[in-house]
Parts: sequence; structure tokens; C-alpha cells
Amino acid sequence: NAGVTQTPKFQVLKTGQSMTLQCAQDMNHNSMYWYRQDPGMGLRLIYYSASEGTTDKGEVPNGYNVSRLNKREFSLRLESAAPSQTSVYFCASSEASRGGNQPQHFGDGTRLSIL
Amino acid sequence: AQSVTQLGSHVSVSEGALVLLRCNYSSSVPPYLFWYVQYPNQGLQLLLKYTSAATLVKGINGFEAEFKKSETSFHLTKPSAHMSDAAEYFCAVSDGGDYKLSFGAGTTVTVRA
Repeated sequence: NAGVTQTPKFQVLKTGQSMTLQCAQDMNHNSMYWYRQDPGMGLRLIYYSASEGTTDKGEVPNGYNVSRLNKREFSLRLESAAPSQTSVYFCASSEASRGGNQPQHFGDGTRLSIL
Repeated sequence: AQSVTQLGSHVSVSEGALVLLRCNYSSSVPPYLFWYVQYPNQGLQLLLKYTSAATLVKGINGFEAEFKKSETSFHLTKPSAHMSDAAEYFCAVSDGGDYKLSFGAGTTVTVRA
């Protein structure tokens, strides 16, 4: 089972460049999420999509945009990359649960460096 | 809004010794609680979850956690550490009101031979 697949795994950008991180899940989950992980800060939610056709801001949305392309795919775009966006980015998915009791399943991450 | 505090950013244990990772949460409603493990250069994997069925929750790889409402805690334990337990561990909480999880800052476990 592939689960949650993220591409690319590594990327180096120059300040001001744009980039789209791709995420796809094959578990038929309704909800998908984008996080960033920085040392000592745990995971912080950037954007999420509770279901196909909806997206909402998380804790740290500034500088990012998202697209829920279909039920399987949820992409994250950096329009003008900044060094502060150097981080490890994780995509996750879960079954739709208004009650929040369903675990999230994570991809292996994209390691992004912005020079 | 919910939040999570993990006490201790680094824990070092000897192989065969008890592993104890502390997690305290704040939530205005009964929470759902999760422990995740992250091995180097990998994503997070679910260890166990608490969803109000039982206060003592058993997970994978010999880990368990106990929900204590009076202490607002959900500490993770394993009786005997193995070298393969070296990883970073995250506690997370959902207040059930939406689809989001709040994560603690993480605890890195080192296992000494």
C-alpha cells in the first residue's frame, strides 16, 4: 500500500522562486492536510481540506496556497519562496470525522531549502 | 482551543530500561489523544490513540499510554527499551470540534547500549 505519497522528496530553491509540492493518497480519505516541521516546534498546520472542494487556513498559512485537485490530490504552492520557508513539509490524510477521533496518516515529507 | 505540552525535549535511556514520555494537554472538552513516532527521514506513524473507550491504551511495539483526566495527562510508557525505539515521539490532541490536531514539540529518545 502506497498510503500518502509526496513529491519531490528534496528541493533547493532560490529566494523568490515558486514551487508546488504534490501529495496524493490512495486510502479514499476525505480530509487532507499540509504541515511544516521545524526543530523544537512540532508540526504546525498550514492548510487543510476537510473534503473535496473545500480548503481552510491552519495555523501558519501566510506565503502558501493550496489546491484540492480531486479527492486523492492536495497540492501546496509557494508563490515566492523565502528563507523562512525552509522546512520539512508533510502531507497527511484522514477519514472524514467531524469529531476528530480519526488518526491522520502521513507521507515521508519534502525537505525544502531556500537560499 | 486545545494545546499540548511535552515535558523534556530529549530523553536518554539504557537498553532494557523503562521509557516514560510525558504529555499534558489542555482542552475545554473531552479530548481525543494520539501518540506518533517519527524515525529519521520518515513521516509520522501512529503508535496509539485514546478515544474514550478505555483509559489505558495499548499500541504498537509494546508501547502503552494512560489517560488521566484529573491530571490532564497522557503519558507514554514502554517497560523495556530496545535500540529500535530511538526516534522522535509526538503527542497530539483533538478537541473533537473540527478536523485538526494540535501537536506537541516532540521528544527525542536515545537508547544507550
